[in-house]
Amino acid sequence: AQSVTQLDSQVPVFEEAPVELRCNYSSSVSVYLFWYVQYPNQGLQLLLKYLSGSTLVKGINGFEAEFNKSQTSFHLRKPSVHISDTAEYFCAVSLNTGGFKTIFGAGTRLFVKA
Amino acid sequence: NAGVTQTPKFQVLKTGQSMTLQCAQDMNHEYMSWYRQDPGMGLRLIHYSVGAGITDQGEVPNGYNVSRSTTEDFPLRLLSAAPSQTSVYFCASRPSRGPNEQFFGPGTRLTVL
Repeated sequence: AQSVTQLDSQVPVFEEAPVELRCNYSSSVSVYLFWYVQYPNQGLQLLLKYLSGSTLVKGINGFEAEFNKSQTSFHLRKPSVHISDTAEYFCAVSLNTGGFKTIFGAGTRLFVKA
Repeated sequence: NAGVTQTPKFQVLKTGQSMTLQCAQDMNHEYMSWYRQDPGMGLRLIHYSVGAGITDQGEVPNGYNVSRSTTEDFPLRLLSAAPSQTSVYFCASRPSRGPNEQFFGPGTRLTVL
């Protein structure tokens, strides 16, 4: 069965510090990978995606993620966070099957402290 | 473009009441879906549709009905509300061909007493 595991439910970090939000997946078919961000009281919006090509992908707001096929991971990183990055982050995989079913992780709440 | 819109934003129901959550998109996307978001559980798929007239069940369909008479609209019906359906509901859409990102509405926060 396919699954997505976000290894940390909450990540507190000080402003201007680096952060890594971890995501691992399990799938018997090839996948496409996404990170979404949800700001308080809003819907989700796309942060970045990996479809093919370079395994290091850059997204909005200075975030980047690296696809590691051997470790089935897609960790999200930012070298220096801001207060405004406080939000919930969701890792998602889209299965390379008809319909491209999407599975979401449980989310990681990033809390940036001054 | 308005993107994906949802109404209402908030709703309180009593156990046993029924209601419809509305969702519309103006991007001509074939694929639409409904999720519920509960703390610590991420997003769980309730129902989805790959085009007008075609719907299917997701992960947690019990207690919900959907229909898709037009490309634009995808309402979610709660038949007889239960406290377990207290949640935040999100509608999303995307083009059906290819591994495209989903576009989400702002959500409906539902409380069932």
